[in-house]
Amino acid sequence: KQEVTQIPAALSVPEGENLVLNCSFTDSAIYNLQWFRQDPGKGLTSLLLIQSSQREQTSGRLNASLDKSSGRSTLYIAASQPGDSATYLCAVSGNTPLVFGKGTRLSVIA
Amino acid sequence: KAGVTQTPRYLIKTRGQQVTLSCSPISGHRSVSWYQQTPGQGLQFLFEYFSETQRNKGNFPGRFSGRQFSNSRSEMNVSTLELGDSALYLCASSLDPDRSDTGELFFGEGSRLTVL
Repeated sequence: KQEVTQIPAALSVPEGENLVLNCSFTDSAIYNLQWFRQDPGKGLTSLLLIQSSQREQTSGRLNASLDKSSGRSTLYIAASQPGDSATYLCAVSGNTPLVFGKGTRLSVIA
Repeated sequence: KAGVTQTPRYLIKTRGQQVTLSCSPISGHRSVSWYQQTPGQGLQFLFEYFSETQRNKGNFPGRFSGRQFSNSRSEMNVSTLELGDSALYLCASSLDPDRSDTGELFFGEGSRLTVL
């Protein structure tokens, strides 16, 4: 059974700092891994999709990496801004429907 | 291009009632999946539909059901509501979930259900 873990559960950083969010999964037989952002009371916004054959994806200040063999992904956020404050979730798809981690709640302090 | 649309956004029901939630996927997307989100359990998979067929079902009781129409719109129904059914119900659509490059999920804003 696929299990997804995100560490840390919460993170508070000053504006301008570069930061890394971690995601680990137990079954390396995945199709892809997706990072989402969720603002309070809202739906999920897709940030990046990494296919199983890829090592990383970049979008603006965001960079996500995937290491299938070790069951890990990281989301790197450069030059963080207060508007980045949200909960970040990773999810993996494979032989089972999408499995989500519990998320990392990020606060960027101005 | 319109995103995933869920209705209603908010609703309040009492125990024992039933509720129907609606989801319109992004135009051209044939896969619709539903998730329940609660503070304690996080996001849990309910079911997935593709071309009007249920392909996967999560570990929820039979009170939770769904369907997909020929235009890919989907509905989920919860009967005999319990207090524990209070949650944010999220719908997501994708182009083709069987391909790693087109399986990206796009979510709606959700339907927040409160059961009193």
